Amino acid sequence: GIQVEQSPPDLILQEGANSTLRCNFSDSVNNLQWFHQNPWGQLINLFYIPSGTKQNGRLSATTVATERYSLLYISSSQTTDSGVYFCAVYYGSSNTGKLIFGQGTTLQVKP
Amino acid sequence: GAGVSQSPRYKVAKRGQDVALRCDPISGHVSLFWYQQALGQGPEFLTYFQNEAQLDKSGLPSDRFFAERPEGSVSTLKIQRTQQEDSAVYLCASSSLTGVPGELFFGEGSRLTVL
Repeated sequence: GIQVEQSPPDLILQEGANSTLRCNFSDSVNNLQWFHQNPWGQLINLFYIPSGTKQNGRLSATTVATERYSLLYISSSQTTDSGVYFCAVYYGSSNTGKLIFGQGTTLQVKP
Repeated sequence: GAGVSQSPRYKVAKRGQDVALRCDPISGHVSLFWYQQALGQGPEFLTYFQNEAQLDKSGLPSDRFFAERPEGSVSTLKIQRTQQEDSAVYLCASSSLTGVPGELFFGEGSRLTVL
């Protein structure tokens, strides 16, 4: 099956710093989403991004499907950005809509 | 509703007990998914419904796991004779699209602890 690898696994930032999270996938995918899982466990949609670049406030994402990777940029990080960031890809038959998740990047932003 | 709602949020069960977890998807969403998230891991797919039809149950770990969505809205995930390895967060998600990968919206999850 498809492999979804995220890097780095852990990241510690000082408030105000910028960061880039990476998601590599081993096969062609139908689509890709980025999520933030907050300390209470809720998965929050960040981006639904099959290709190209999208921006939402201090966050932006770029997916290059032909090269099988996606990047999530966090600028001017805040303590509320702490949590786990997941990349998830759609793979296989569209009838299942099955999302395959990476292992996540755990981000800690220190004040 | 405004978002995906799951209940109970927390459930403690003794080994061997049966449990039922409920998911109320976003109103009008025809696609519904169940995922299992073990501690420190990413969510893993369990099963998928399109309306009331269960189109994919390939991720259900054993025949002790059963899911239904009889009227195409609310779904229930049932786990029979719970085991300690069933301890996890069970996440429900819904999507407005069918046939093509649509954006998934997740609920807050039901955290199951089996003693």
